[in-house]
Amino acid sequence: GQNIDQPTEMTATEGAIVQINCTYQTSGFNGLFWYQQHAGEAPTFLSYNVLDGLEEKGRFSSFLSRSKGYSYLLLKELQMKDSASYLCAVRDRRALTFGSGTRLQVQP
Amino acid sequence: GAVVSQHPSWVICKSGTSVKIECRSLDFQATTMFWYRQFPKQSLMLMATSNEGSKATYEQGVEKDKFLINHASLTLSTLTVTSAHPEDSSFYICSARGSSGTSGSSYEQYFGPGTRLTVT
Repeated sequence: GQNIDQPTEMTATEGAIVQINCTYQTSGFNGLFWYQQHAGEAPTFLSYNVLDGLEEKGRFSSFLSRSKGYSYLLLKELQMKDSASYLCAVRDRRALTFGSGTRLQVQP
Repeated sequence: GAVVSQHPSWVICKSGTSVKIECRSLDFQATTMFWYRQFPKQSLMLMATSNEGSKATYEQGVEKDKFLINHASLTLSTLTVTSAHPEDSSFYICSARGSSGTSGSSYEQYFGPGTRLTVT
């Protein structure tokens, strides 16, 4: 089975940097994904890590440590439109299993 | 990038009726499709996984006789909610994954826009 934990809510200021952590326990790790989801919409893909280290994509970066069962999503230069839920998802041999999501509120 | 569509985007039905939701991969062949359900302010819960031409694999606690899944082709999967009840009201999201060599990457799951089902 899988167990994925991430904070329920976070608040940050426009222009700042925020780090959203995710810890997981899984049997058969086959990659970790981060998705962004605005209310009432489907998730959109942000990043994918399968090896340890940092993946950078514009204002978004994601880090993975497989030995620690730990990942984080780093958002830089926060914008108001970044207010959304951020879902950490772990893939085993079958499918993606999602964490409960972190609702990020960006304030002016 | 790979596109997944869902139809309808929203549906309202009466209790006891059945509703069919279609999921299509538009520009790649989806060897595997996934159906998720999301209740308000909760995360996505995997309901079932289906491979083209074979029976779906349901997650624990999901009634296979109530949620019928058909994956008849590499571009189409359907979810039928039979004898729907108000507690089935939810946001249903399908996701598709291609295979190596197709336009969809083999590691990424592409999500449809979701179908909001309301059962009255």
